[in-house]
Amino acid sequence: QLQLQESGPGLVKPSETLALTCSVSGGSISGTYYYWGWIRQTPGKGLEWIGHMSYTGTTYYNPSLERRVTISIDTSKNHFSLRLRSLTAADTAVYYCARVHPIGVGATRYYFENWGQGTLVSVSS
Amino acid sequence: EIVLTQSPGTVSLSPGERATLSCRASQSVSSNYLAWYQQKPGQAPSLLIYGASSRATDIPDRFSGSGSGTDFTLTISRLEPEDFAVYYCQQYATSPCSFGQGTKLEIK
Repeated sequence: QLQLQESGPGLVKPSETLALTCSVSGGSISGTYYYWGWIRQTPGKGLEWIGHMSYTGTTYYNPSLERRVTISIDTSKNHFSLRLRSLTAADTAVYYCARVHPIGVGATRYYFENWGQGTLVSVSS
Repeated sequence: EIVLTQSPGTVSLSPGERATLSCRASQSVSSNYLAWYQQKPGQAPSLLIYGASSRATDIPDRFSGSGSGTDFTLTISRLEPEDFAVYYCQQYATSPCSFGQGTKLEIK
């Protein structure tokens, strides 16, 4: 059974960069049509898609975050990562990694088939 | 961006009753690209329904989705104790995708 597990710091200072990793077990990141992505959740804005990436390196990002986000994949370690730069308090959220089910050619239509348990990230000095 | 409005915000029902949750879109959701998720306290959302009416793997048949265009419904035919949770809809017809604000289903 596929499992995803986020890891990373729970507290980050404003203006710094958040780095999270999602370790995947029970299945391989490589060689499938799935994408691998990140979503965050806040009490105020609710659920917000951040972006996703294929194992071949094709990426899609939310335009609202695109200037600050990088998603990468390490197939040798079967994990993928999120970097979010120039943090502010508004980036305080629970961050989830997910296996993304794309529809049709490309991955501009997608839903989230499997989720990690989530990790709370607070941005504060 | 398509805005999804879920109603009611909170619904109180008893086990065994039928639950009907609504998700309304600000514009038509093409090809019924709409999903429903369940989120229990302290847990991640989990996929229930995709394509407006297709159940995800291992989802009991008491959960059903329906609708098209701008109006979608999640129905739970007979509530079990483990069904009390928050439910979210998500449209994936346009990118970025968007989520509703959620409906909390609580025990009466």
